[in-house]
Amino acid sequence: QVQLQQSGAELVKPGTSVKLSCKASGYTFTSNHMNWIKQTTGQGLEWIGIINPGSGGTSYNVKFKGKATLTVDKSSSTAFMQLSSLTPEDSAVYYCARLSGHYVMDAWGQGASVTVSS
Amino acid sequence: DIQMTQSPASLSASLGETVTIECLASEDIYSNLAWYQQKPGKSPQLLIYYANSLNDGVPSRFSGSGSGTQYSLKINSLQSEDVSIYFCQQNYDSPWTFGGGTKLELK
Repeated sequence: QVQLQQSGAELVKPGTSVKLSCKASGYTFTSNHMNWIKQTTGQGLEWIGIINPGSGGTSYNVKFKGKATLTVDKSSSTAFMQLSSLTPEDSAVYYCARLSGHYVMDAWGQGASVTVSS
Repeated sequence: DIQMTQSPASLSASLGETVTIECLASEDIYSNLAWYQQKPGKSPQLLIYYANSLNDGVPSRFSGSGSGTQYSLKINSLQSEDVSIYFCQQNYDSPWTFGGGTKLELK
């Protein structure tokens, strides 16, 4: 079965960076694009961007350009998202989610909580 | 960006009841609409895509309808396991955007 296993919770200081991982299993990693989504209590769900694991090509929500960088490691079937210049507004749960053939997110990771605090 | 407005924001219903959640897009999204269910403490799960297509394994008491800018999710014969937050999402135009969510509770 399709599984997306995300890295654990992070407590980080303002101004630093954090790199989250999402290890895929149960399907061919390069066959489906991978999305990243931010969830906060106040802003709900926000789509950050998407990466094609086969080519490494990316597309970002303009709001997150310069904040998020998406990469993959095909050898380990793992997608990564680096968040830079962190502020308290970046505190959220971040999900990776596979894009289906119907262009919707048909499998989600369990989420990774990021808390930015001094 | 396309704005997605869900209503109501919260809803209380009894077991066995039928409930309907609405989603309004700020422009025509040509049925490129998905519904997700998020149970407490869990990640969202896909229920419906292309406005009315049921994802594999989703109970048939869930159904979606709509076109243009107006869409709805209907749950027939409400079960206790349906207590969740429901989100709509448009995948017509980038950036993909979500509704604010509808919290469904049991009365």
